[in-house]
Amino acid sequence: SQQGEEDPQALSIQEGENATMNCSYKTSINNLQWYRQNSGRGLVHLILIRSNEREKHSGRLRVTLDTSKKSSSLLITASRAADTASYFCATHGFKTIFGAGTRLFVKA
Amino acid sequence: DAGVIQSPRHEVTEMGQEVTLRCKPISGHNSLFWYRQTMMRGLELLIYFNNNVPIDDSGMPEDRFSAKMPNASFSTLKIQPSEPRDSAVYFCASSLEGLAGAGSETQYFGPGTRLLVL
Repeated sequence: SQQGEEDPQALSIQEGENATMNCSYKTSINNLQWYRQNSGRGLVHLILIRSNEREKHSGRLRVTLDTSKKSSSLLITASRAADTASYFCATHGFKTIFGAGTRLFVKA
Repeated sequence: DAGVIQSPRHEVTEMGQEVTLRCKPISGHNSLFWYRQTMMRGLELLIYFNNNVPIDDSGMPEDRFSAKMPNASFSTLKIQPSEPRDSAVYFCASSLEGLAGAGSETQYFGPGTRLLVL
């Protein structure tokens, strides 16, 4: 499997629920970034976490990074219909590699 | 700032034709990235420039693809001749990179160019 694999591939939840997406990677990294992409649009940067950090928060977003397990998670709390989008993790080390993404659908 | 600007937003062309995609990065950024997104392969990094110099072009699919950055405010990605399998959305992104290298800082993406090769 390729670096930066997201899990699950798709997620459907009710508004107000929390959404958790996971990302696994294979090689050493400098940092890991999460992006959001609305259908037919460009990518929007959400949060960057460096390899020496374990957790970061930004509004309703919480990102964790476990370099020993080569994995990261993105938690969106109190989800809204407007959070419906695809979410990608991107690992940045020797190369920049994007995962296949998680499609999140938040039902109103 | 206007953000990363790409043109055209949509391009439909016939197989064999030359296609040129354009990108204007955010003013002051020193790094520029070209990506391609398809359903089958996801997002792929094609080439990365730092201070107008191509640093890593290992993602460029083949000799039909070429990219230039003649100055800090403009880059082109050219496909000649184009083929139907080149149909994709092509994104340009820019960032202000430090010594840590490519991708060490936030990348700002343009809206993309949707290319269809018939």
